[in-house]
Amino acid sequence: KAGVTQTPRYLIKTRGQQVTLSCSPISGHRSVSWYQQTPGQGLQFLFEYFSETQRNKGNFPGRFSGRQFSNSRSEMNVSTLELGDSALYLCASSLEVSHTYEQYFGPGTRLTVT
Amino acid sequence: GEDVEQSLFLSVREGDSSVINCTYTDSSSTYLYWYKQEPGAGLQLLTYIFSNMDMKQDQRLTVLLNKKDKHLSLRIADTQTGDSAIYFCAEIVASGGSYIPTFGRGTSLIVHP
Repeated sequence: KAGVTQTPRYLIKTRGQQVTLSCSPISGHRSVSWYQQTPGQGLQFLFEYFSETQRNKGNFPGRFSGRQFSNSRSEMNVSTLELGDSALYLCASSLEVSHTYEQYFGPGTRLTVT
Repeated sequence: GEDVEQSLFLSVREGDSSVINCTYTDSSSTYLYWYKQEPGAGLQLLTYIFSNMDMKQDQRLTVLLNKKDKHLSLRIADTQTGDSAIYFCAEIVASGGSYIPTFGRGTSLIVHP
């Protein structure tokens, strides 16, 4: 069974631009969560989608948004990029809502904002 | 405090046991997790424990939970060089109707031959 895939793997953007990251969960998984990992803040939860609805949300500004499609694929968007948005963005999928089920992580998208 | 706390580094010799410690924040956390991250990769779930358990063993891994002190530990028996990685402990914190996975900063385990 294929694992969680994330595209692109690497991205360089300029301050003020916007970016969209994509995540394809493991086949059959309906929950997708997004995380931001930085050396300064560690691993922080962004949000979780289940059946196309946002179920859980972390403490990030509204510039960070996401959506989930009917095939469970998810996208995350960051608008008006700031230097501090440079990070590894990880996506994880699970069968159901993540607080009860194991999460499987993708390799991440490395975003650099210049 | 509000953070899940872990020591940053642990160095052991190959063949020895490693013990990684974690202090979590929410006494109502139902599930507590240990993840492993190797360079350039995402996180891999190693094991998890329910809050009504004191101990869970899975091959070389032993998880101990002390709910009174909100302390979680991961013991790796017969540590190998392939175990060198960053280990994260995590809990699920209920907050305002959401469930927030909350991670420690990670412990870098270095295994010397």
